[in-house]
Amino acid sequence: GENVEQHPSTLSVQEGDSAVIKCTYSDSASNYFPWYKQELGKGPQLIIDIRSNVGEKKDQRIAVTLNKTAKHFSLHITETQPEDSAVYFCAARTNYGGSQGNLIFGKGTKLSVKP
Amino acid sequence: KAGVTQTPRYLIKTRGQQVTLSCSPISGHRSVSWYQQTPGQGLQFLFEYFSETQRNKGNFPGRFSGRQFSNSRSEMNVSTLELGDSALYLCASSFTGGSYGYTFGSGTRLTVV
Repeated sequence: GENVEQHPSTLSVQEGDSAVIKCTYSDSASNYFPWYKQELGKGPQLIIDIRSNVGEKKDQRIAVTLNKTAKHFSLHITETQPEDSAVYFCAARTNYGGSQGNLIFGKGTKLSVKP
Repeated sequence: KAGVTQTPRYLIKTRGQQVTLSCSPISGHRSVSWYQQTPGQGLQFLFEYFSETQRNKGNFPGRFSGRQFSNSRSEMNVSTLELGDSALYLCASSFTGGSYGYTFGSGTRLTVV
């Protein structure tokens, strides 16, 4: 089955710096890669996602890149702000001949943005 | 529009008891997935329901079960609770099962004593 590895587990940056979180997946049949942000006491919130037919996607200060050959994808946050502090999860979902699998999550990255 | 609603938010149960958690998906969403979140194991998939049918199941013992009603609301049940079942249980809904993204609820924090 699919396995998703996420690094680093903790990340501390200064306000205004960039943050990069990396994930690798094992199943070449995976075709959907979302990123979630979870704040204390809340459920994960989808912040950006990318499908396997796209190499990069950007939404304001957030971007995701996907390298299908290497089976890894990354989240890039530019101009970080204190409110970006949270736990970020990557995930992957496989699609076997039209039958969609479930989301497999990485272990999470705790991002701290220092003012 | 209203998000995914999970009830109750907090629950304390004793070992050996059973518990039922409820999830109301976003209106129009037909897929409901359940996840267990713990500090050690992270987010682990329990099961997914689509149009009242269990479509996928994770690697959890048979004590964990679920169902979905015709209005897409879902419940999960855990019988014979163990201390290790203490976790945040999250429900996520989707229009078809993930193609358009999953929306999570705030979860039910279950503590087993």
